[in-house]
Amino acid sequence: AQTVTQSQPEMSVQEAETVTLSCTYDTSESDYYLFWYKQPPSRQMILVIRQEAYKQQNATENRFSVNFQKAAKSFSLKISDSQLGDAAMYFCAYQGGGSEKLVFGKGTKLTVNP
Amino acid sequence: NAGVTQTPKFQVLKTGQSMTLQCAQDMNHNSMYWYRQDPGMGLRLIYYSASEGTTDKGEVPNGYNVSRLNKREFSLRLESAAPSQTSVYFCASSATPRPYYEQYFGPGTRLTVT
Repeated sequence: AQTVTQSQPEMSVQEAETVTLSCTYDTSESDYYLFWYKQPPSRQMILVIRQEAYKQQNATENRFSVNFQKAAKSFSLKISDSQLGDAAMYFCAYQGGGSEKLVFGKGTKLTVNP
Repeated sequence: NAGVTQTPKFQVLKTGQSMTLQCAQDMNHNSMYWYRQDPGMGLRLIYYSASEGTTDKGEVPNGYNVSRLNKREFSLRLESAAPSQTSVYFCASSATPRPYYEQYFGPGTRLTVT
């Protein structure tokens, strides 16, 4: 079974600085997708960024980018120029190709200090 | 466009009581999902429905039943609530076809069983 591990229960960053959240996963599949979701205190799950495993290029969405290392099964999220509104729980998620199921990590709580 | 809506937002039950959590989406999505979120556990899939009239078990289905009433609505029923079912419940939906199934989440229902 696929598993997703987020080894950092909590992280903190100063406003305007850069922070990297870690995620590793375990799978025997070659076709899959990886996601980072943000959950602010409102509880709403918001998709931040996604990565297709067959793409070598790392995904980028404005201040959010990923470092996808397929051989190492690593998928980290980098947040640049951190803002107070970035404070939230961040979840890494895996979806096997052809499967509808998302497998989530346990999350990392990000605090942004002014 | 309301997206995914859930009712109620909060609920307190006594052990042994039953209740149904309602979910509806207005995005014409084929697939719908129910997750539970417990502290330190991330989100875990309870049941999902790939299309109207079909349902399948996820990772933690015990103690729950679901009904895909029509394409828009997917309900989750607790027949005899237990304290272990105290959690935040999220409904989600996704469109097909491939290549990936981005899931859109509702705002969640916080359920407490005493």
